[in-house]
Amino acid sequence: QQQVKQSPQSLIVQKGGISIINCAYENTAFDYFPWYQQFPGKGPALLIAIRPDVSEKKEGRFTISFNKSAKQFSLHIMDSQPGDSATYFCAARESDKLIFGTGTRLQVFP
Amino acid sequence: GAGVSQSPSNKVTEKGKDVELRCDPISGHTALYWYRQSLGQGLEFLIYFQGNSAPDKSGLPSDRFSAERTGGSVSTLTIQRTQQEDSAVYLCASSLVRTGGGEQYFGPGTRLTVT
Repeated sequence: QQQVKQSPQSLIVQKGGISIINCAYENTAFDYFPWYQQFPGKGPALLIAIRPDVSEKKEGRFTISFNKSAKQFSLHIMDSQPGDSATYFCAARESDKLIFGTGTRLQVFP
Repeated sequence: GAGVSQSPSNKVTEKGKDVELRCDPISGHTALYWYRQSLGQGLEFLIYFQGNSAPDKSGLPSDRFSAERTGGSVSTLTIQRTQQEDSAVYLCASSLVRTGGGEQYFGPGTRLTVT
């Protein structure tokens, strides 16, 4: 049973456009929701994270929107750049462990 | 400062052989995690070490998989009698206890291929 569902599996965006990746969860015990970015041949790296008592968090071009009642959260990348091309994973924490989504491969074309 | 390092970066082994994968966490990080990443899949949790506490082994897929952490630092993941379905990238991560596992720092992974 997949505890964190992520969509889409892949995403193609024009440079300057907005990239949106969505995640949904069922377990209300999750208390922290990070997004990780992974480039080919590298390990994932923490990009941005949010706690469930906050509805939105913005860091530069990256924004997390969190809807606690719907048990959904999303990553928005504004003004997407070719350098943003990577695989993005949402995750949710329970008891010091992270449960990851299946990932979204983002390609930003110039 | 130095990040999480893993060795080897690539490992090709024959079906039925045992393999050992090594992880050197960031100095001072008391929490250490192992994950498995199969092609096109997310990160599958395997095992979690926190300080001197008993490890959380709830993610290990079979008794062929085991891990240990010596001196609260270096960790070794051992896969016995490897099978082709064990082929994947094995990732190690470490974190400070104060972050409760939310901010994990990953190594580059070991790509295991079982032929």
